[in-house]
Amino acid sequence: SQKIEQNSEALNIQEGKTATLTCNYTNYSPAYLQWYRQDPGRGPVFLLLIRENEKEKRKERLKVTFDTTLKQSLFHITASQPADSATYLCAYQTGANNLFFGTGTRLTVIP
Amino acid sequence: GAGVSQTPSNKVTEKGKYVELRCDPISGHTALYWYRQSLGQGPEFLIYFQGTGAADDSGLPNDRFFAVRPEGSVSTLKIQRTERGDSAVYLCASSLKVSGQGNYGYTFGSGTRLTVV
Repeated sequence: SQKIEQNSEALNIQEGKTATLTCNYTNYSPAYLQWYRQDPGRGPVFLLLIRENEKEKRKERLKVTFDTTLKQSLFHITASQPADSATYLCAYQTGANNLFFGTGTRLTVIP
Repeated sequence: GAGVSQTPSNKVTEKGKYVELRCDPISGHTALYWYRQSLGQGPEFLIYFQGTGAADDSGLPNDRFFAVRPEGSVSTLKIQRTERGDSAVYLCASSLKVSGQGNYGYTFGSGTRLTVV
C-alpha cells in the first residue's frame, strides 16, 4: 500500500540554524509533492509544490528538493526563527485528485 | 469570502445522533475536498467534489458518512448514527484548479472539531 513517512515526529533546532525535514514515500511515484504548515487549532497552509522534473524549488527562506530515485523530498528552512515553530506536512496527490498526507513533523525553534 | 469557512468550529454530540458540518469554500473554487484529522496524524482524505458532483468518495469510511454540494459552492458533510470513533477534526479545503495544475495547493479551513460522547 502507499506510504509516506516523515523522518521524525518532532525536531528541535536553535534559532538561526537551518532546519531540515525529510519526507519519504514508497509504493508510489507521484508527479509532484506538496508541503504544508499547520499551527495548533488551524488547518494546513500551503507552502510549496515541487514537480518530479524539478530538482529544487525556493520561496524566501524555504527550499524543497525532490529526488525521485531516493523517493525522498527534503524541506529546508534557513535562518530559522521561533515563528517557524509549527507542524510541517508533506503530501502527494494520488491519481484521483486526493492528497495523501504524511503524519507531520513538529518543529520547535528555540530562541 | 477571503478564506474557507467551516461551521461550527466545535460540535459535541451524543453517540447515535446525526450531525451536519458545513463548508463555505473560496468563491470561484470549483474543487472542494473533505478531510478528517485525528490527533497526531496527518489529514485523511474523505471525498472530493468537482463542481456539484462527487468525483471521488473513496475515502468515506462507511455509509454513515455522506456529503453534498448541491449548487457547486457550499458543501455539507453529514454523519448519521455517530460513534465515538468519529471524533476528530473535519477539515474542508478548496482549490481553483486540480492541484498540480500550475503551482496551486489547497486552501484549508480551520476545521470543525467533532466530539462524540
